[in-house]
Amino acid sequence: GAGVSQSPSNKVTEKGKDVELRCDPISGHTALYWYRQSLGQGLEFLIYFQGNSAPDKSGLPSDRFSAERTGGSVSTLTIQRTQQEDSAVYLCASSLLSTGNTIYFGEGSWLTVV
Amino acid sequence: KQEVTQIPAALSVPEGENLVLNCSFTDSAIYNLQWFRQDPGKGLTSLLLIQSSQREQTSGRLNASLDKSSGRSTLYIAASQPGDSATYLCAVRSNSGYSTLTFGKGTMLLVSP
Repeated sequence: GAGVSQSPSNKVTEKGKDVELRCDPISGHTALYWYRQSLGQGLEFLIYFQGNSAPDKSGLPSDRFSAERTGGSVSTLTIQRTQQEDSAVYLCASSLLSTGNTIYFGEGSWLTVV
Repeated sequence: KQEVTQIPAALSVPEGENLVLNCSFTDSAIYNLQWFRQDPGKGLTSLLLIQSSQREQTSGRLNASLDKSSGRSTLYIAASQPGDSATYLCAVRSNSGYSTLTFGKGTMLLVSP
């Protein structure tokens, strides 16, 4: 596609429910990143994929968070048993293989846990 | 651990002024540095990417410089316009680990007509 696509754009969920956030990267981009941006905070790295593998999961805040990527393309970030502190914008980004390439971000998924 | 700081946190200028946004980073072992713009309620838009071997990059009214040895980058905006109002984020890609981006907290810019 023309850009990184994320869905849903907005999600309101009840505390304790599971949510899935989807990211469709730019076609041909092998690197995919998930970041989280909380109100008034900077961007927090969550996880990085190279192809279908995730060599860096160091940013996932707890075992309630998981992510997968299939076919080297679409990625899903799953948050189980959501808590109010999970409320944030979840941003997905992608880039070509080389570390020298520009990283492109999607519009984000705005998650509110009530 | 890489840390990125942006100064000032907020800036308000009248239309037409030239302005400079600052970014500093603690670990000079970087692949590149990228400047982004974020409008309220939106994702990040890439503005400029400077490789570690480069000193500056230009795009239109924007010019970004990089001094890797001192851990600094500046974003220069010429002849500012109200449409430039946004938050500007600096991000560094380190060459340790898996080279993910480390972001500063941004500079919120308001250009008044």
